[in-house]
Amino acid sequence: QQQVKQSPQSLIVQKGGISIINCAYENTAFDYFPWYQQFPGKGPALLIAIRPDVSEKKEGRFTISFNKSAKQFSLHIMDSQPGDSATYFCAASKGGSYIPTFGRGTSLIVHP
Amino acid sequence: NAGVTQTPKFQVLKTGQSMTLQCAQDMNHNSMYWYRQDPGMGLRLIYYSASEGTTDKGEVPNGYNVSRLNKREFSLRLESAAPSQTSVYFCASSEYRGGSDTQYFGPGTRLTVL
Repeated sequence: QQQVKQSPQSLIVQKGGISIINCAYENTAFDYFPWYQQFPGKGPALLIAIRPDVSEKKEGRFTISFNKSAKQFSLHIMDSQPGDSATYFCAASKGGSYIPTFGRGTSLIVHP
Repeated sequence: NAGVTQTPKFQVLKTGQSMTLQCAQDMNHNSMYWYRQDPGMGLRLIYYSASEGTTDKGEVPNGYNVSRLNKREFSLRLESAAPSQTSVYFCASSEYRGGSDTQYFGPGTRLTVL
């Protein structure tokens, strides 16, 4: 059973546009929600993360929006650039449980 | 500070051969993980080690064994490789601090089993 559902599987955006990737979770005990960015041939790396006590977190062009009642969180990439082309994974974990749950990933292509 | 390192970067095996994937981290993390990544399947946990001296099965452990050699090193062994084990393998480490348990990934091992 997939505990974190990520959509869309792939996304094509024009340079300067907004990229939006959504994730939904089931386990209300999750208390840490990171997004990872993976470039081709590399390992995933933390991009931005949020805890459920805030509804939004912004770092540069990247924003996480969190809706605790709907059990959903999303990544918004403003002014998308070709260099943002990568695979993005959302994840969720419960503190001290050791095992994060990952979404299946979104392949983002930003056309120049 | 190298972070998480993995060897080898690439490997081609014949069905039935064995091999060990090596992983080391220099961040003094207690927890270490092995994942496999396949197209459309995301990251699937094979085994993890919550702390030195412990290992536990993840989502897809069949056909694999692990050893937590010490706090720094966590190896993954394929005893008899099968074509279904063709994948990209990532090692990761983490430490629960300040309410977060970010995973730090290595660069991956690309394994092909013929």
